[in-house]
Amino acid sequence: AQTVTQSQPEMSVQEAETVTLSCTYDTSESNYYLFWYKQPPSRQMILVIRQEAYKQQNATENRFSVNFQKAAKSFSLKISDSQLGDTAMYFCAFISNDYKLSFGAGTTVTVRA
Amino acid sequence: GAGVSQTPSNKVTEKGKYVELRCDPISGHTALYWYRQSLGQGPEFLIYFQGTGAADDSGLPNDRFFAVRPEGSVSTLKIQRTERGDSAVYLCASSLDTYGNVLTFGAGSRLTVL
Repeated sequence: AQTVTQSQPEMSVQEAETVTLSCTYDTSESNYYLFWYKQPPSRQMILVIRQEAYKQQNATENRFSVNFQKAAKSFSLKISDSQLGDTAMYFCAFISNDYKLSFGAGTTVTVRA
Repeated sequence: GAGVSQTPSNKVTEKGKYVELRCDPISGHTALYWYRQSLGQGPEFLIYFQGTGAADDSGLPNDRFFAVRPEGSVSTLKIQRTERGDSAVYLCASSLDTYGNVLTFGAGSRLTVL
């Protein structure tokens, strides 16, 4: 079974600063996908970024980028130039060929004005 | 539709009652998922449909929980004899049934069992 661990329950960052969220996972699979989802108070889970395990290049989406270390089974998310609208809960998630998306416990990010 | 629609948005019921939660996925998405999210936690997998059939229902906690998708589109999650511990947000997601495709989530149904 796959497990996803997010060790930071809460993070606070000043507007325009950078924050990095950590995620580790455990799997015996060699091919899989990793995701970061954002969940604001509206409850709508929104995709932030996706990484394919066989691609060594780290994914980026505008102000969001990941540091994917396959050997260490680590998948951190960096939010640059933080904005007030980034305040939300962030979930790391994993899927392999069982089609079952597994989530971590989440990290609450608060951006301060 | 343009997104995944879930109804009701909020449901309050009494212990022992029966509830149904509905999910209307994105048109053309053959895969449909149900997750349960307790307060302050990550979503937990309940069941996954490919078309009309349940491909994996290993996450359903017990036989009080049941889900259907009779025509391969709308799905209903049914909970019998509700208990206070069933209180949670129930999330539905859909995707194209291709490995690695992104799941698009609905806004969830918040169930409160008094």
